[in-house]
Amino acid sequence: NAGVMQNPRHLVRRRGQEARLRCSPMKGHSHVYWYRQLPEEGLKFMVYLQKENIIDESGMPKERFSAEFPKEGPSILRIQQVVRGDSAAYFCASSPRERGTEAFFGQGTRLTVV
Amino acid sequence: AQRVTQPEKLLSVFKGAPVELKCNYSYSGSPELFWYVQYSRQRLQLLLRHISRESIKGFTADLNKGETSFHLKKPFAQEEDSAMYYCALSGAVNTGFQKLVFGTGTRLLVSP
Repeated sequence: NAGVMQNPRHLVRRRGQEARLRCSPMKGHSHVYWYRQLPEEGLKFMVYLQKENIIDESGMPKERFSAEFPKEGPSILRIQQVVRGDSAAYFCASSPRERGTEAFFGQGTRLTVV
Repeated sequence: AQRVTQPEKLLSVFKGAPVELKCNYSYSGSPELFWYVQYSRQRLQLLLRHISRESIKGFTADLNKGETSFHLKKPFAQEEDSAMYYCALSGAVNTGFQKLVFGTGTRLLVSP
């Protein structure tokens, strides 16, 4: 089991472009969480998904951000029309049950908006 | 509001010295408290949780509800303990509040 895989590890986008961040959960895990870490801050919860369902998106910015976890394939965090303030590390975690506290984390994607 | 405060950005000690990484929290109810560690170039991983009451790699942490603290301690630091440490909380199992709230982290640097 390779663990939670996130790609790309580093992503550079120009202002106004779209960013797509992928997260492949651990085998057998159907619960995915996305966290964002802005510079000098702790990780902040964004969204919790189960297969084909968004369970809790209370931490997602209202505009430009969306997330999905399809029946097949990785979970995708999509940021449209990126701005400099979106530059951050985005972490994905997966768990086998509805317990985000038992989740295993990926290595993160560092997004830089230039 | 749920909040986790780690007052120290950097803690630098010599090998063999005692270590205490501070964590204070704010939560209305009974939270679960955790310490996560991120070694250089590695992913974030769970170090310990208060309900387990166990010692991992020589680290212990006691939940003090009166002081709303969950400080991480180790009596004798080792160079391999150098890492970023994050304190986090979540709601108890039956609260439905399952997401983790993280502190800003403390970088521990253990020098030879």
